[in-house]
Amino acid sequence: NAGVMQNPRHLVRRRGQEARLRCSPMKGHSHVYWYRQLPEEGLKFMVYLQKENIIDESGMPKERFSAEFPKEGPSILRIQQVVRGDSAAYFCASSPNRLSDGYNSPLHFGNGTRLTVT
Amino acid sequence: GEDVEQSLFLSVREGDSSVINCTYTDSSSTYLYWYKQEPGAGLQLLTYIFSNMDMKQDQRLTVLLNKKDKHLSLRIADTQTGDSAIYFCAELGSSASKIIFGSGTRLSIRP
Repeated sequence: NAGVMQNPRHLVRRRGQEARLRCSPMKGHSHVYWYRQLPEEGLKFMVYLQKENIIDESGMPKERFSAEFPKEGPSILRIQQVVRGDSAAYFCASSPNRLSDGYNSPLHFGNGTRLTVT
Repeated sequence: GEDVEQSLFLSVREGDSSVINCTYTDSSSTYLYWYKQEPGAGLQLLTYIFSNMDMKQDQRLTVLLNKKDKHLSLRIADTQTGDSAIYFCAELGSSASKIIFGSGTRLSIRP
């Protein structure tokens, strides 16, 4: 059973370009979470999606950032018109059920996409 | 609000015990977690504790929870070089829709 797959592992974009980060959750997982890790900082929650629905986007910047988790295919985190401050590691995690189901629903993390904006 | 705090660095000698501390603010947290991050990798769940427990032991790992003080600790017995990593304390937020992470404690091992 493959783990959470994120690609690309490294992404370099010039200021003003668009960045698309992909995440395939573990098989059987329908809950996806995106986190951002700035250098030397912890993980900051961005958005929680469940197939085709955004459940909690309280951590998403209001502009330029969007996320989707379509019925078929991976979850996509999209950053438009990137700026240097967007440089970070972006982690995707998935769970089989709601987090409130406790240890029956642990978060499994991918290895992240490291975005560098030049 | 929801906030999790932990010290940034800890250095211990190989074979000693490591104790990593964490404080959180959300008194309604139901689950608290410890995750480990090795260089270039994602986070790996080490252990968790439910809020109605005081202690949980899992091989070399001991988790202590003081709910009154909102204090969580992770003790690693007989620390080995392979334990070098960043350790994140985390809580399931009151909305139960997201896990809130601390900034991580970087554990380094001295020979």
